[in-house]
Amino acid sequence: GQQVMQIPQYQHVQEGEDFTTYCNSSTTLSNIQWYKQRPGGHPVFLIQLVKSGEVKKQKRLTFQFGEAKKNSSLHITATQTTDVGTYFCAGKTSGTYKYIFGTGTRLKVLA
Amino acid sequence: DAMVIQNPRYQVTQFGKPVTLSCSQTLNHNVMYWYQQKSSQAPKLLFHYYDKDFNNEADTPDNFQSRRPNTSFCFLDIRSPGLGDAAMYLCATSRTRGLTDTQYFGPGTRLTVL
Repeated sequence: GQQVMQIPQYQHVQEGEDFTTYCNSSTTLSNIQWYKQRPGGHPVFLIQLVKSGEVKKQKRLTFQFGEAKKNSSLHITATQTTDVGTYFCAGKTSGTYKYIFGTGTRLKVLA
Repeated sequence: DAMVIQNPRYQVTQFGKPVTLSCSQTLNHNVMYWYQQKSSQAPKLLFHYYDKDFNNEADTPDNFQSRRPNTSFCFLDIRSPGLGDAAMYLCATSRTRGLTDTQYFGPGTRLTVL
């Protein structure tokens, strides 16, 4: 079945450093979403990417969808302590309404 | 505010005692999802409804059932909870509009099985 892997599993950074998480799907995706889950919280939608090679920015966050629509990345510039949490990608294949979540990357930011 | 509501937020049940978790939404979304999330793991899709059409994941145990009596409500029934079913259960909704279908998650119900 479809699998979505993320690396790294954990990342500790000093405040102000950059952070990147990578998402790889075993199958071609129709679109991909990114979520942030704070400790003890529920996933909160960040963004959706649909087009091959698409790049979107939200302030310090940059999201990219690969040309083959099988991988994606989230880059955070100059991390802040408020960025702490687990970042999940979630991919959907065409013809379905379901999303398969990636394994997640847990980010800790040290002040 | 429009939102996804889950009740209760915390549920304690005994091994083998049936339990029902509820989810309601005021977003009028046509798709509703149930996910199971264990500690330090990703949410795992159990099933979803597209309108009244029920879609079960192949690896969802028979012990888990769901009902969606109307657009606003969806229930997760665990017929005979085992210790391994202790987890956070997340409900989510989305409205399909072409390729855009943001999922909105409820706060979750944390299930403890004694």
